[in-house]
Amino acid sequence: SQQGEEDPQALSIQEGENATMNCSYKTSINNLQWYRQNSGRGLVHLILIRSNEREKHSGRLRVTLDTSKKSSSLLITASRAADTASYFCATPGRTSGSRLTFGEGTQLTVNP
Amino acid sequence: DTEVTQTPKHLVMGMTNKKSLKCEQHMGHRAMYWYKQKAKKPPELMFVYSYEKLSINESVPSRFSPECPNSSLLNLHLHALQPEDSALYLCASSQGTEGPYEQYFGPGTRLTVT
Repeated sequence: SQQGEEDPQALSIQEGENATMNCSYKTSINNLQWYRQNSGRGLVHLILIRSNEREKHSGRLRVTLDTSKKSSSLLITASRAADTASYFCATPGRTSGSRLTFGEGTQLTVNP
Repeated sequence: DTEVTQTPKHLVMGMTNKKSLKCEQHMGHRAMYWYKQKAKKPPELMFVYSYEKLSINESVPSRFSPECPNSSLLNLHLHALQPEDSALYLCASSQGTEGPYEQYFGPGTRLTVT
């Protein structure tokens, strides 16, 4: 069963604008991860946020986690053309933290 | 070295062929993974190895056979595949499975079954 659902499915913005992607999940989790995937390539880990954290920053990335609403958001500030990629949230399984389930992903296009 | 390498990059095989995908990491990670990803879809977990032992098999058909010869290497043996098995196969590794740990992904092998 799909654990994470993301919206929007696709997002197109201009360079310099901010991009916000949302992820909702169904069951209780102790952490949530975000990954980026450039077209047809491997995934790159961006941020891991634990259930006792509300917000986390890494460079131009800001991730929030609301466990009461079972949702997370990824904000990319001052976007660049190089940020064009698919972004996935990933949640761990109940019995195994290594059993990641990925959301459907958001395809972000940043136009120069 | 934070790289996971995968060979080959591309593979075309017939339904009666036997082939293998290879994955290697030198980060000292004790967990390794195989994922399958169809176009415009998220990766789906296939297998997890922990300390060179198979710990998770997500009900993958037996025509896919994983092998972990040592802590740095992971193979996926393919036999009698179907056209619907065409996909990007991704290998990943992490420090362990008890986590939470970030996973490091290889670039993938693009498999086409004809």
